[in-house]
Parts: sequence; C-alpha cells; structure tokens
Amino acid sequence: DVKVTQSSRYLVKRTGEKVFLECVQDMDHENMFWYRQDPGLGLRLIYFSYDVKMKEKGDIPEGYSVSREKKERFSLILESASTNQTSMYLCASSPLTVYGYTFGSGTRLTVV
Amino acid sequence: RKEVEQDPGPFNVPEGATVAFNCTYSNSASQSFFWYRQDCRKEPKLLMSVYSSGNEDGRFTAQLNRASQYISLLIRDSKLSDSATYLCVVNSNSGYALNFGKGTSLLVTP
Repeated sequence: DVKVTQSSRYLVKRTGEKVFLECVQDMDHENMFWYRQDPGLGLRLIYFSYDVKMKEKGDIPEGYSVSREKKERFSLILESASTNQTSMYLCASSPLTVYGYTFGSGTRLTVV
Repeated sequence: RKEVEQDPGPFNVPEGATVAFNCTYSNSASQSFFWYRQDCRKEPKLLMSVYSSGNEDGRFTAQLNRASQYISLLIRDSKLSDSATYLCVVNSNSGYALNFGKGTSLLVTP
C-alpha cells in the first residue's frame, strides 16, 4: 500500500512563526497536494506539484508556499503563521488523477 | 455555483436499511469521479471510483449521469461501521487536482 506520512499529528505554533509541514510518500508518485479542511468549508486546495521543483497554486494559496526538492517530499510553509491558519492540513499523493489520491493522516495545526 | 455540491445530512438510518446519497458537479468536462469516506478526525479514504456505466463493490453501488452532471452512492444493508462522512469528488479544471464536496454525514443506528 502507498504510504503518505506527515511529520506531525498535532502542532501548536505562535502567531508570526514560520511553520514547516512535511509530507513524504513512498510510491514514486508524480503528483502531490496540500489541502486544508475546516468545519463547514470542506477540503480546499492550497498548492499542488506535478513534478520535482514544479508547483501550482490551488484555490487558497495566500499565506502559504511550498517546496518540492525531491520527488518523495512535499513541504508546506506558512511564512508567518496567523490564527486563521488554524486548521487540519492534509497531504495527498497520486500517480495520476484517474486513480484518486492517497492521503496522509493529517496535521492538526493550532496557531495561538 | 459550487464545483461539487452534496446534501450535508445527517442521514440517520437503522441497521439493514438502504440509503442513497447524491451529488452534483459543475464542470461538464470532468472525467474522474470518486466517493471517499472520512471517519471522524481521520483522513479521507478512497471508497470507490465511479464509472460511466455504473459500478458496484459489495454493498456499495455508484452511478454517474453525465447529462445531468449527477453522481450517486447507494449503500445496501447498512452496518454500524458505515457511519462516516461520504465525500463526492470530481477532478478539477487543472486535470491534476480533485475538488471535494463538503460531505454527507451518515449515522447508522442499532
């Protein structure tokens, strides 16, 4: 089975901190994605990457950046954390869209 | 119009019942369709893909109506363990990413 691993399950950070969320997949998938999930808003796409060093903005990229230096790793960066970035962050990977995604177990980030 | 729309529920059904969820999508060019299941405080997991001819996986049947841009999921003989949120998912304009509905909540009671 594909494994998508997110480095932290729970994280508490202070307003203004730079925050790194790491995601690693072990199945050589081309495509990787970062979503956030909030009650009443569902899953919203932040950024995705379809190849090493390639990235595309999703629906809500403001306040975030990403890095994909190696195929297996896709990092989400909160440049200056704010309280409205408190959320569940979900990483996913996929070989092709037609196969759907495999998600990591999520990082619940609280910004205080 | 939202990309993917679902009735949020909740649907409360007794064990053994048949329940159906519906979903509509806005992008007529969409080619990939899925149902995901999400348990409370867990990540979404792929339940099944949805094919044009309709498809079945055990107690679960998915249907796609391209003309009406409508997807359905039928669960027969509901089990307590089917209690979860069911997400309707359709590929986005980018072709790479997926758009998720907000989910339909199902509670199966004894």
